[in-house]
Amino acid sequence: AQSVTQPDIHITVSEGASLELRCNYSYGATPYLFWYVQSPGQGLQLLLKYFSGDTLVQGIKGFEAEFKRSQSSFNLRKPSVHWSDAAEYFCAVGPSPYSSASKIIFGSGTRLSIRP
Amino acid sequence: DVKVTQSSRYLVKRTGEKVFLECVQDMDHENMFWYRQDPGLGLRLIYFSYDVKMKEKGDIPEGYSVSREKKERFSLILESASTNQTSMYLCASSSTGTHRSYEQYFGPGTRLTVT
Repeated sequence: AQSVTQPDIHITVSEGASLELRCNYSYGATPYLFWYVQSPGQGLQLLLKYFSGDTLVQGIKGFEAEFKRSQSSFNLRKPSVHWSDAAEYFCAVGPSPYSSASKIIFGSGTRLSIRP
Repeated sequence: DVKVTQSSRYLVKRTGEKVFLECVQDMDHENMFWYRQDPGLGLRLIYFSYDVKMKEKGDIPEGYSVSREKKERFSLILESASTNQTSMYLCASSSTGTHRSYEQYFGPGTRLTVT
């Protein structure tokens, strides 16, 4: 069955420092992979997506992620974080092979705090 | 810009009440989804709809039902609210197409408390 694991529940980094959020997936074929961000009190916003092709994907707000098939990972990175990046981040995987609609499965999330 | 709106940001209901959560999207999307978000569990799919009057159960449909009479509107119904349904409820929509159908747009959420 498909699954997504985000091993870090909460991460704190200093403003200006680099960031890497981990995501591991379990999927029988080449997955579709996504990162979403949820700012406090808001819904989720798509940061970036991977369907095929170049394994390094650029997203909005200066984020990037790299698909590593050998490690079943899709880690999110940013070279220098800003205080406004404090939020919860969700990794997601699709498609579901058992459904007629475009379902994706979400990880449990990683909460990012920024130290001034 | 895609806009997904939810009828309430905060809702407090009593055990046993019938609860309606409404979601409206303005981008003519075919697919609509209802999720429940709980700390440590991420988002779990309750129901989704891929067309008017069409619905499919997600991973946790028990205690919920849905209605989609118009393309832009997708309602989640708690037939008899219970305290274990206290949660954040998120609505999302997506278009059709091989890849676009997987790019979901979310509403701001409704935080439901059942007392």
